[in-house]
Amino acid sequence: NAGVMQNPRHLVRRRGQEARLRCSPMKGHSHVYWYRQLPEEGLKFMVYLQKENIIDESGMPKERFSAEFPKEGPSILRIQQVVRGDSAAYFCASSPGQGAGAKNIQYFGAGTRLSVL
Amino acid sequence: GENVEQHPSTLSVQEGDSAVIKCTYSDSASNYFPWYKQELGKGPQLIIDIRSNVGEKKDQRIAVTLNKTAKHFSLHITETQPEDSAVYFCAASETGNTPLVFGKGTRLSVIA
Repeated sequence: NAGVMQNPRHLVRRRGQEARLRCSPMKGHSHVYWYRQLPEEGLKFMVYLQKENIIDESGMPKERFSAEFPKEGPSILRIQQVVRGDSAAYFCASSPGQGAGAKNIQYFGAGTRLSVL
Repeated sequence: GENVEQHPSTLSVQEGDSAVIKCTYSDSASNYFPWYKQELGKGPQLIIDIRSNVGEKKDQRIAVTLNKTAKHFSLHITETQPEDSAVYFCAASETGNTPLVFGKGTRLSVIA
């Protein structure tokens, strides 16, 4: 059973370009979460999605950032017009969803390391 | 909102000794407390979790304790080995499905 898959693992963008980060949840998981980790810091929640719905985006910057989890395909975190401060590791996690009880655990991918030049 | 404090930020122990990492949280609505291990260049890996209906949970050399009254929980690693060296994060949330609030991490070094 494959784990949470994120790609690319490393992404380099120049200021002003767009960054698209992809996340495929574990098989059977319907909930996806995006977190951001700055160097030497803990992870900060950004957005929580279920298929075709944003459940909680309270951690997402109001401008330039958007996320989706379509009916088919991976979840996408999009950052428009990147700035140097966007440089960080972005982690995706997935969980089974409602009704799974004690199995509702968030499993993390290996992350995408974004560098903005 | 929830706030999670984690101590210490760095911890060095001799191989075979025990390591203890402590966390406090602020939101009494939190009922789920996982611990993650992160090795360099990798994503966080769940090592143990505890829910508010129990006070202690153990899995081989790893144990977690929870005091809901005092709003703190701790990770205990016994008989430490060099491969335990990593950054450990505590987290808190209402359920396993809700967004996690993480502590800032503890860098554990086990010296052979």
